[in-house]
Amino acid sequence: DAGVIQSPRHEVTEMGQEVTLRCKPISGHDYLFWYRQTMMRGLELLIYFNNNVPIDDSGMPEDRFSAKMPNASFSTLKIQPSEPRDSAVYFCASSLRMSYGYTFGSGTRLTVV
Amino acid sequence: QQPVQSPQAVILREGEDAVINCSSSKALYSVHWYRQKHGEAPVFLMILLKGGEQKGHEKISASFNEKKQQSSLYLTASQLSYSGTYFCGTVNSGNTPLVFGKGTRLSVIA
Repeated sequence: DAGVIQSPRHEVTEMGQEVTLRCKPISGHDYLFWYRQTMMRGLELLIYFNNNVPIDDSGMPEDRFSAKMPNASFSTLKIQPSEPRDSAVYFCASSLRMSYGYTFGSGTRLTVV
Repeated sequence: QQPVQSPQAVILREGEDAVINCSSSKALYSVHWYRQKHGEAPVFLMILLKGGEQKGHEKISASFNEKKQQSSLYLTASQLSYSGTYFCGTVNSGNTPLVFGKGTRLSVIA
């Protein structure tokens, strides 16, 4: 298995632009999670899906953030408009069951200038 | 509720042992441990379920004290490859996602 695949690996964008991060989970995993990592706050859960359905998006910082999972093999996290404080590493992770270990993707390092 | 990890950082010489602690203010259902190397993704090490079990992974093992709401990660005879940031992730009830601590940076030097 290729693991969890995220794209792009790096993204540099100007403030106000729309940013879309992509994730392909491991086939057969029922759960997909989006985390954001910063030095100050560590790994924060933004949203998670179970069988493509969003379960808890209370971690999404603002309405500028949205996430979708149109099918079992693809998810997107969109920021519109982007701001410098959104700069962070965004990880997607998937898991077979909620109580199992998570497999993380390589992350997307987002820089908003 | 974010778990608290200690210490924040530790430096070891090869062959030395280390203990990393993770504590929660709420009752725990399970504890996960992950290691992240610089510029890479966190990698799953092990999971401990309530019941006070202890698990091992080569020379890395962990314990879970349900009553104290704590878990400890033990690294014995450390190797250079053990360097990285170790995160605990806690689950407070059976069907909730992981909440991660802020991590413990471990540096092993020759």
